Amino acid sequence: EPEVTQTPSHQVTQMGQEVILRCVPISNHLYFYWYRQILGQKVEFLVSFYNNEISEKSEIFDDQFSVERPDGSNFTLKIRSTKLEDSAMYFCASNGAGSGSPLHFGNGTRLTVT
Amino acid sequence: GESVGLHLPTLSVQEGDNSIINCAYSNSASDYFIWYKQESGKGPQFIIDIRSNMDKRQGQRVTVLLNKTVKHLSLQIAATQPGDSAVYFCAETEGQGAQKLVFGQGTRLTINP
Repeated sequence: EPEVTQTPSHQVTQMGQEVILRCVPISNHLYFYWYRQILGQKVEFLVSFYNNEISEKSEIFDDQFSVERPDGSNFTLKIRSTKLEDSAMYFCASNGAGSGSPLHFGNGTRLTVT
Repeated sequence: GESVGLHLPTLSVQEGDNSIINCAYSNSASDYFIWYKQESGKGPQFIIDIRSNMDKRQGQRVTVLLNKTVKHLSLQIAATQPGDSAVYFCAETEGQGAQKLVFGQGTRLTINP
């Protein structure tokens, strides 16, 4: 069964550094997402991406965050200058037809900012 | 304010018993609901979904019930197995296009042998 893959599984970075989290969504999907989960808390929506542009973003997704689909397969999340509070699991997800098509999540990248 | 980790509701059942996990959702305009299972160190895994024009949907060993009047969703798992041990999240969304899922706080299900 096709799956969403994410790399790396764990990223450690120093405060103020830039990080890029990478995802390969399911190949025939059209909508791409980033969610995050701070340890012990709920999964939270960050951003959705469709037709090569952001379709919606949350309050968390401020100017330090950006997303890109540089080619036909990868979908990246960049955090320009990491803060301690950015430490979390970051999940990439994708789905096919939008409404009524469930999101499929990757296994996440654990980001630790020191 | 300072973030505080959530204290997850927990449910322990004997292997082979049925379990029911409940969820209250907040947005009366939500029209699509999903249950996810999350095992330690993994991402949310889709279990079953339901649209707001239905009140019950069945899958393999799982049933989702939707009560829009009281904004309540439940997941029933029949004949639980050790592999069912995980955290279960409900999620809601509304409208067309991209899905901005709002997740519930989760319930930790433990299956006792």
